[in-house]
Amino acid sequence: GAVVSQHPSRVICKSGTSVKIECRSLDFQATTMFWYRQFPKQSLMLMATSNEGSKATYEQGVEKDKFLINHASLTLSTLTVTSAHPEDSSFYICSARDSPGETQYFGPGTRLLVL
Amino acid sequence: SQQGEEDPQALSIQEGENATMNCSYKTSINNLQWYRQNSGRGLVHLILIRSNEREKHSGRLRVTLDTSKKSSSLLITASRAADTASYFCATDAGSWGKLQFGAGTQVVVTP
Repeated sequence: GAVVSQHPSRVICKSGTSVKIECRSLDFQATTMFWYRQFPKQSLMLMATSNEGSKATYEQGVEKDKFLINHASLTLSTLTVTSAHPEDSSFYICSARDSPGETQYFGPGTRLLVL
Repeated sequence: SQQGEEDPQALSIQEGENATMNCSYKTSINNLQWYRQNSGRGLVHLILIRSNEREKHSGRLRVTLDTSKKSSSLLITASRAADTASYFCATDAGSWGKLQFGAGTQVVVTP
């Protein structure tokens, strides 16, 4: 299947700092990318939909000023957790697809720990 | 909100046995996708089944879809220890292709 990468795989930061996570589709052009959050032993919760060249669409309850998303090219979307706090500690996973109704391919995830 | 409900929440079987898990959902869908997740890792795509399909196979995996009952099942035949993972169903129900995930079934296969 298609390959989606994420960087970094793991990050530890101090409270109040901002953290950027990159999501790349390596072998296809992703018109849409999605960002999810997963707490331990729980399912994935969709945070936002990122479309290339336009503003991201956030799910209800997700603060757009807290989680900044940029989808500057067809192969790269970034999620920036601004002024991170310990409650933002989680596993963040992105996915990408090349066209609607098709398979979504997931990245390996980024584990964020905010101290 | 999670659209899919999965059953059972956990399943423990021995190698060689079959594992069946079910997923129910609430609204009409475009397609339903099954994923596997090993602990602390990303999701691996297993099978996509469209709303006009009833059954799909991929190796030892068999997925069924019953849109009248709004349910799907994933069967893993002749399970192996390497099949130990969490399995999630996810429904694509809107025009944006957003996926709503079920709670997952944790499968443990013992040698």
